[in-house]
Amino acid sequence: GIQVEQSPPDLILQEGANSTLRCNFSDSVNNLQWFHQNPWGQLINLFYIPSGTKQNGRLSATTVATERYSLLYISSSQTTDSGVYFCAGEAAGNKLTFGGGTRVLVKP
Amino acid sequence: DGGITQSPKYLFRKEGQNVTLSCEQNLNHDAMYWYRQDPGQGLRLIYYSQIVNDFQKGDIAEGYSVSREKKESFPLTVTSAQKNPTAFYLCASRISSGANVLTFGAGSRLTVL
Repeated sequence: GIQVEQSPPDLILQEGANSTLRCNFSDSVNNLQWFHQNPWGQLINLFYIPSGTKQNGRLSATTVATERYSLLYISSSQTTDSGVYFCAGEAAGNKLTFGGGTRVLVKP
Repeated sequence: DGGITQSPKYLFRKEGQNVTLSCEQNLNHDAMYWYRQDPGQGLRLIYYSQIVNDFQKGDIAEGYSVSREKKESFPLTVTSAQKNPTAFYLCASRISSGANVLTFGAGSRLTVL
């Protein structure tokens, strides 16, 4: 199966700062998703983005499929953005493989 | 409201006991998944099912078993053969296998005493 690597592993932001999270995958994917896990463990899908760019409020994501990476942008960060951000990729085979996550702490 | 319900939310088990975690969805999704998450780690796939009465092993299936007798239900049994069962277990589903968005339940936290 594919390998998914995320960087940085940890990120501390001051409220209002911008940041970029990166996800590299070892093979071509036909499915790439970003998730946010809140402090209680609930995972929420942020983006389904196998290629191209999407925006949702202060969050946006870009996937460059030919170069096998995806980026998640957080702008004007808020304390509620704290948590763990995961990307997950899928090649053939009906199962998503998750990266190790980026743990984000936004300080007031 | 449509969603995925996992129960129990917290569970304590003595060593040597089997325990079953429930996962029920009313989203009419065909595909269902079980993931395990250890502290500070990512999610690892235990088992998945693309259709009723069929399921496949994921990356860490040893010591676990599942069934898929109904479309809505995908229970996970953690057996006494699982050497380190203390973890956070997440159930997920999507419309069908392939390029579709994955929806998660709230998780079940299992602690072995």
